[in-house]
Amino acid sequence: AQSVSQHNHHVILSEAASLELGCNYSYGGTVNLFWYVQYPGQHLQLLLKYFSGDPLVKGIKGFEAEFIKSKFSFNLRKPSVQWSDTAEYFCAVNPPGNTPLVFGKGTRLSVIA
Amino acid sequence: DTAVSQTPKYLVTQMGNDKSIKCEQNLGHDTMYWYKQDSKKFLKIMFSYNNKELIINETVPNRFSPKSPDKAHLNLHINSLELGDSAVYFCASSKRGVDQPQHFGDGTRLSIL
Repeated sequence: AQSVSQHNHHVILSEAASLELGCNYSYGGTVNLFWYVQYPGQHLQLLLKYFSGDPLVKGIKGFEAEFIKSKFSFNLRKPSVQWSDTAEYFCAVNPPGNTPLVFGKGTRLSVIA
Repeated sequence: DTAVSQTPKYLVTQMGNDKSIKCEQNLGHDTMYWYKQDSKKFLKIMFSYNNKELIINETVPNRFSPKSPDKAHLNLHINSLELGDSAVYFCASSKRGVDQPQHFGDGTRLSIL
């Protein structure tokens, strides 16, 4: 079945470490890609999105993601994480056609001092 | 001035009961959604309405019935609640089209006793 995969279930990093969270999807054709973040006890917020153009997109709070079409990937990166980045991160893909957003299962990021 | 507001925030009830969750958005969006997030944080779309009309109805039991009195509101009514309905339910809204970034409410944590 077509899907969105986030390979890391739980990532633990020290403050100032670099972050890369993987996201792969299996849909062909033109897709729209999103990363959402859910801080503890809060709702999902959009971090960044890719529709077209430059495959390296910048988001809020120093996050960026790179769309690599040949690898069907849209990995999220941040050069130096902070304790406040502790949250659940969701990759989401809008497949071709008027179909709803499909979310990955999320990656929990824990940043320790 | 909350953008997407859901009530109640917490809902604890017994099996077999009927309950409703309300959602309102003040962003002027045309499209609204209901998602279910299970205990493993997996987020899955249930319904989507575009300007009061149902456009997406995923494989959800017919005990769940969304109602949209106007484009700013999308309420979720659940009949004959079951243990498996325990989850966090998120309402979201976006500009017209399922490919638009979505704004989420704070969620309603439903616990079935």
